[in-house]
Amino acid sequence: NAGVTQTPKFQVLKTGQSMTLQCAQDMNHEYMSWYRQDPGMGLRLIHYSVGAGITDQGEVPNGYNVSRSTTEDFPLRLLSAAPSQTSVYFCASSPRLGTGTGEQYFGPGTRLTVT
Amino acid sequence: DAKTTQPNSMESNEEEPVHLPCNHSTISGTDYIHWYRQLPSQGPEYVIHGLTSNVNNRMASLAIAEDRKSSTLILHRATLRDAAVYYCILSKTSYDKVIFGPGTSLSVIP
Repeated sequence: NAGVTQTPKFQVLKTGQSMTLQCAQDMNHEYMSWYRQDPGMGLRLIHYSVGAGITDQGEVPNGYNVSRSTTEDFPLRLLSAAPSQTSVYFCASSPRLGTGTGEQYFGPGTRLTVT
Repeated sequence: DAKTTQPNSMESNEEEPVHLPCNHSTISGTDYIHWYRQLPSQGPEYVIHGLTSNVNNRMASLAIAEDRKSSTLILHRATLRDAAVYYCILSKTSYDKVIFGPGTSLSVIP
């Protein structure tokens, strides 16, 4: 299993540009989520999904959109990039509690810089 | 949502046990206690979780207070590779939002 994969690893955007951060998992996990981590800070939840077709907002959803058309993929879209969105973005997945041990598996992260 | 409180930082000598505390006084009966750690420049990794009873695995032990309002992650012999930020989080059985706090930054002194 590849686990949780994220692309790209690094990205530089100009203010106002849009882009999609890709996240995929091959473990048939129902739960997927996106976090951002600013330098020296903890992780903040952006959006999450408890299954295909179901998404919900986390702590800091403004400026981001998500969709979950398949179990495997959970892309994060930045609509109009701003310097405040400069961060490291982590995607995570987890089986539903009761179907596994419940831990979240994290991807390696995408480092995004907005100039 | 129930919150957790952890010390900002702790130090430990190499090869000594480390006890990382976490307070969660508003925990509900359906909240599992999870611990993750994040090594420098990496994504978080799962360490251990529990509900009511103490738990052991190859990485660590989790001691849960009888009233469940606090827990302690125990690293039995700290190594330099254990230097990381340790997060204590609560998550419900239905796997709704999983919120990370600032965590405890553990330094290991050779």
